[in-house]
Amino acid sequence: AQKVTQAQTEISVVEKEDVTLDCVYETRDTTYYLFWYKQPPSGELVFLIRRNSFDEQNEISGRYSWNFQKSTSSFNFTITASQVVDSAVYFCALSEAGRDDKIIFGKGTRLHILP
Amino acid sequence: DTAVSQTPKYLVTQMGNDKSIKCEQNLGHDTMYWYKQDSKKFLKIMFSYNNKELIINETVPNRFSPKSPDKAHLNLHINSLELGDSAVYFCASSQPGQFGQPQHFGDGTRLSIL
Repeated sequence: AQKVTQAQTEISVVEKEDVTLDCVYETRDTTYYLFWYKQPPSGELVFLIRRNSFDEQNEISGRYSWNFQKSTSSFNFTITASQVVDSAVYFCALSEAGRDDKIIFGKGTRLHILP
Repeated sequence: DTAVSQTPKYLVTQMGNDKSIKCEQNLGHDTMYWYKQDSKKFLKIMFSYNNKELIINETVPNRFSPKSPDKAHLNLHINSLELGDSAVYFCASSQPGQFGQPQHFGDGTRLSIL
């Protein structure tokens, strides 16, 4: 069965600190996709990144970076030099091949960036 | 231009009423979804439609009935509303056949049952 675990329910850091959001997934498939979405206080869901199971290269986009490690079934998300605008709930998600594009979401990590 | 739009944004109604939420996407996607986000922020898929055909139905009560008049629209009708239906409902769309495409979400409809 597919499952996504975000063990950190809530994190608070002071602005400009780096912060890592953890994501551990379970799947029996060898082909799958992992995602991160951001939900700011305004409520919308914003797509951040997609990573397929065959590509373990780390990704960097500005202050955001993602570390995908199949050996530990983890897809962690790091924000460098955090800003107040990064305050949001962040969701990690998994989609398996042949599952009708169904996405399973983790329970989310609420991130507070304190000024 | 709004890619996935839902109406209304807020819906306050009494228990027992019937209500509908509309969703439209202008991305040309073939697949649309409905998700429910509860008070703890947990997001769970309810339905998906591919080109007007039901693909996923995740053990949702029969009171919830999705309707897709065309592939750009997926409406959600809820009968006999209950207190537990209070949540934020998100519509989303994606392009299937290209496995792993990200889903694009609407801004959500906050449903409050009095």
